[in-house]
Amino acid sequence: SQQGEEDPQALSIQEGENATMNCSYKTSINNLQWYRQNSGRGLVHLILIRSNEREKHSGRLRVTLDTSKKSSSLLITASRAADTASYFCATVDTGNQFYFGTGTSLTVIP
Amino acid sequence: DTGVSQDPRHKITKRGQNVTFRCDPISEHNRLYWYRQTLGQGPEFLTYFQNEAQLEKSRLLSDRFSAERPKGSFSTLEIQRTEQGDSAMYLCASTRTGTDYEQYFGPGTRLTVT
Repeated sequence: SQQGEEDPQALSIQEGENATMNCSYKTSINNLQWYRQNSGRGLVHLILIRSNEREKHSGRLRVTLDTSKKSSSLLITASRAADTASYFCATVDTGNQFYFGTGTSLTVIP
Repeated sequence: DTGVSQDPRHKITKRGQNVTFRCDPISEHNRLYWYRQTLGQGPEFLTYFQNEAQLEKSRLLSDRFSAERPKGSFSTLEIQRTEQGDSAMYLCASTRTGTDYEQYFGPGTRLTVT
């Protein structure tokens, strides 16, 4: 079964606004990763945060990790129509097993 | 390096038939994973290989499913006696051995069982 749960399930914003999505998980992790999936395509890796890190940036992406609350958030700043996609968090355990969440469907309206 | 490839991209089959999918990972990646994804859900782990060794299988992987990676390069996933509930996207991903590496996904094979 999937370990992660994303929230919200769906998000619709205007271009230029920020988008925030959250991920909660259940067990200990080595790292947590965020992926993006365009409709009908494979997943593309966005960013990885290690269990001993609290925040990480990459371009317009900002990821936070709170291991005490077993949660992470992904912030996309200054959203663009091309950011429209589904976003998944994946937790990676000490056995390098990947567990994907249920995903957040993001729609950015031009 | 051309990324992870999967073949076929689409497969329509009748219930009860066998199907086989192929995945070619990135050449220097030792680990290869198979996932199943249904509409509106995230990828569900099926199985993974370290080189040619199949290290773990999900409980989701019934005895109708079998996967191989004979020479530690490409992998095949076979579904025997397909059922309508097998209709899904089957995704393959590869990664390097070790910690803190991301997965590289193929485009997937969409299976429709009629």
